[in-house]
Amino acid sequence: QSALTQPASVSGSPGQSITISCTGTSSDVGGYNYVSWYQQQPDKAPKLIIYDVKNRPLGVSNRFSGSKSGNTASLTISGLQAEDQAEYYCSSYTSSGTLVVFGGGTKVTVL
Amino acid sequence: QLQLQESGPGRVRPSETLSLTCTVSSYSISGTSYYWGWIRQPPGQGLEWMGGISYTEDTRYNPSLKSRLTMSVDTSKNQFSLNLKSVTATDTAIYYCARHVAGGSSSFFDHWGQGILVTVSS
Repeated sequence: QSALTQPASVSGSPGQSITISCTGTSSDVGGYNYVSWYQQQPDKAPKLIIYDVKNRPLGVSNRFSGSKSGNTASLTISGLQAEDQAEYYCSSYTSSGTLVVFGGGTKVTVL
Repeated sequence: QLQLQESGPGRVRPSETLSLTCTVSSYSISGTSYYWGWIRQPPGQGLEWMGGISYTEDTRYNPSLKSRLTMSVDTSKNQFSLNLKSVTATDTAIYYCARHVAGGSSSFFDHWGQGILVTVSS
């Protein structure tokens, strides 16, 4: 059981927008603006795509955007492309003792 | 460009100690405020943060692993290491090392190694 809850899968057609949710508690997502998102292609290491809720590292497409409301963070992929098909993980700082928690991952399928 | 590379045995016997090293290149791990962390991923499953260490050897461990886990850093070799004792089949996973931007205003992993699969079996 992961500390952060993500939907197992999300799908969309090319050009559409999709949103992945990441639900935690006031001890993690809700309490701090330290949510990050990672994209993992098959047999590859995770890649940082969003940090501190809504910031994009250099080189990451602006089609990826992050937001947060209460205990739920969200990753939106706009203009969905075939190359976006991957597993996506959210993560947050937590004051609960673990310090870092991850979501269970969401598989994005481009139809 | 900062790079991280994991190294160690691909197989460990049950009850023995799993030892891995992460070599950092094109960046000195000394004198910076980053933590250097380990994250693992069992086959077909999600990510689990194991812990991290600073160059001053300040360590932070996942409480679920704390009794079995030790991390160390060797600034002269620009490396950091992990020892996980008394392993079982449930420790079979891909182990990633990563730079952890952690402090008063952020927490994220911005650079990752390629990962190393470690299988626990006799």
